[in-house]
Amino acid sequence: GAVVSQHPSRVICKSGTSVKIECRSLDFQATTMFWYRQFPKQSLMLMATSNEGSKATYEQGVEKDKFLINHASLTLSTLTVTSAHPEDSSFYICSARALGVGDTEAFFGQGTRLTVV
Amino acid sequence: GENVEQHPSTLSVQEGDSAVIKCTYSDSASNYFPWYKQELGKGPQLIIDIRSNVGEKKDQRIAVTLNKTAKHFSLHITETQPEDSAVYFCAASKGSNYQLIWGAGTKLIIKP
Repeated sequence: GAVVSQHPSRVICKSGTSVKIECRSLDFQATTMFWYRQFPKQSLMLMATSNEGSKATYEQGVEKDKFLINHASLTLSTLTVTSAHPEDSSFYICSARALGVGDTEAFFGQGTRLTVV
Repeated sequence: GENVEQHPSTLSVQEGDSAVIKCTYSDSASNYFPWYKQELGKGPQLIIDIRSNVGEKKDQRIAVTLNKTAKHFSLHITETQPEDSAVYFCAASKGSNYQLIWGAGTKLIIKP
């Protein structure tokens, strides 16, 4: 199947700093990328949907100024957690859907474990 | 909007036995139903999916069935092995331009 590479896999940062997470589709073009947050033993919670070249659509309750999403190309989307606080500590996962006609699978990155100290 | 319910939350089966996980959805417009396997500390991995124009799909030890009338779909794993232990998520979508709506997940434990 297609490969989505997410980097870094783990990051520890100090409160008040910003962290950038990258999501790349390695062997396909992704018109749409999704960013999720997952708490322990829970399902994935969609944070935002991004389409290449346009602004991301954020889910209700997600602060767009805190979680900056940039989908600059058909193979790269980034999530920046700004002014991170301990409550932002979580597992962040991106997924990408390929260009195509009809339904297409969503492929997921390996996830990023963010710890804010 | 769409709502997906998944049962059971935890399933423990003896190695070699079969495991069945069930999901129901509410939006009759949903037409794409993937199943994902998530191992600890990793992202979800697509294991099988089904579209609304078919009732069953099989891939070796894994099968998915879909009942559009009842709005439910199930994952069947036969001859379970220790490496099948993971959390499994079902999801539903109306199409590639729509987000996946996720079930709550099922922790599958394979007992040796």
